[in-house]
Amino acid sequence: DQQVKQNSPSLSVQEGRISILNCDYTNSMFDYFLWYKKYPAEGPTFLISISSIKDKNEDGRFTVFLNKSAKHLSLHIVPSQPGDSAVYFCAASVEGAQKLVFGQGTRLTINP
Amino acid sequence: DAGVTQSPTHLIKTRGQQVTLRCSPKSGHDTVSWYQQALGQGPQFIFQYYEEEERQRGNFPDRFSGHQFPNYSSELNVNALLLGDSALYLCASSFIGLRGREQYFGPGTRLTVT
Repeated sequence: DQQVKQNSPSLSVQEGRISILNCDYTNSMFDYFLWYKKYPAEGPTFLISISSIKDKNEDGRFTVFLNKSAKHLSLHIVPSQPGDSAVYFCAASVEGAQKLVFGQGTRLTINP
Repeated sequence: DAGVTQSPTHLIKTRGQQVTLRCSPKSGHDTVSWYQQALGQGPQFIFQYYEEEERQRGNFPDRFSGHQFPNYSSELNVNALLLGDSALYLCASSFIGLRGREQYFGPGTRLTVT
């Protein structure tokens, strides 16, 4: 029962362009969503989050969009930089239940 | 400001043995969660500790147990190791006062069971 899905295992983007990573969820009780970046041999690093009362949250080059009716969120990175090459995980949680439910991850490669 | 730390970094155990993994939370955090990440998958929630008690548990057998100490550090114990327990074990900390919605992860312990 995969409640959070990242359907693209990998994505390749040219440096300077926009990277768009997508995530779908099935549990309508999820009310908080997060994106993490993970380099090899390191733990996931928190990037940005969004509450279900919002549809957009921006932090520098990173913007997360939430479409509750479609149960879909996306992470936009503009402009993409070589250091952005990593595996990106989306995660979701339910109010009162502290566990995070993760997607399978998308490997982003930024090409020079 | 120290982030989340975990020890050891790597561990090799034999099937049937027992293992203990350790985690120190980020300064100011009081809640510790443990996750298992298999190769090519996202992290899977094992359990969470707050005020030295298990607060929530994922779909993991009783072979997985934990403990939280008064200084908020935590241990994950796995008994009767199986080959399938080979994975990256991640510890995450959060602050319950902010509803703990943002969790910060340590570098993980890579466990190999042979």
